[in-house]
Amino acid sequence: DIVMTQSPDSLAVSLGERATINCKSSQSVLYRSNNKNYLAWYQQKPGQSPKLLIYWASTRESGVPDRFSGSGSGTDFTLTISSLQAEDVAVYYCHQYYYTPFTFGRGTKVDIK
Amino acid sequence: QVQLVESGGGVVQPGRSLRLSCAASGFTFSSYGMHWVRQAPGQGLEWVAVISDDETNKHYADSVKGRFTISRDNSKNTLYLQMNSLRAEDTAVYSCAKGPNSGSFYQAFDSWGQGTMVTVSS
Repeated sequence: DIVMTQSPDSLAVSLGERATINCKSSQSVLYRSNNKNYLAWYQQKPGQSPKLLIYWASTRESGVPDRFSGSGSGTDFTLTISSLQAEDVAVYYCHQYYYTPFTFGRGTKVDIK
Repeated sequence: QVQLVESGGGVVQPGRSLRLSCAASGFTFSSYGMHWVRQAPGQGLEWVAVISDDETNKHYADSVKGRFTISRDNSKNTLYLQMNSLRAEDTAVYSCAKGPNSGSFYQAFDSWGQGTMVTVSS
């Protein structure tokens, strides 16, 4: 199974500052035939279902603010919130959908400093 | 718009069975692969199972393989999860989810239900 390792477990960032979350997969999730990384990022707020932010590692879902961006390829990925807003307080998960069983990272909790 | 509504959760004793349902609307259910994902209280997300649009392909997490069965009834726009030999560690909110495009289920999940709580306890 592909293990998704997220870091850090939690971070606190001042309003307007940058937040960076890392995700490393134990195997590559890049499918060379279509040059796509099968990697997504979700945001989950308390009491809510996860919300898709980024798919194919760097494609922003419709309606997601452009302060959210995804990067990386192969086994190393990053979610960046360029200017943290109060409404961004949440837990963020990476997710590989390249191999079954699909797997998620353990989550990164983002708070305001 | 897409709606996914789970039902069937509850409190069940270890070793017993439970069947969850996910009623789908707002899209052509028979054209989409469907997933079950669970989240134990205070914990992260765990993918449980997937079924292809035509039921020919099914895959499971190692933790539920041999105990859980995913199925669907395309005539009723409903996804199911039959859970047998339940254990305390199966206690979680169970949600159904789908990707944005019909066909392949190798996609991110853009639609999620609110989930149904399953508690396994004596």
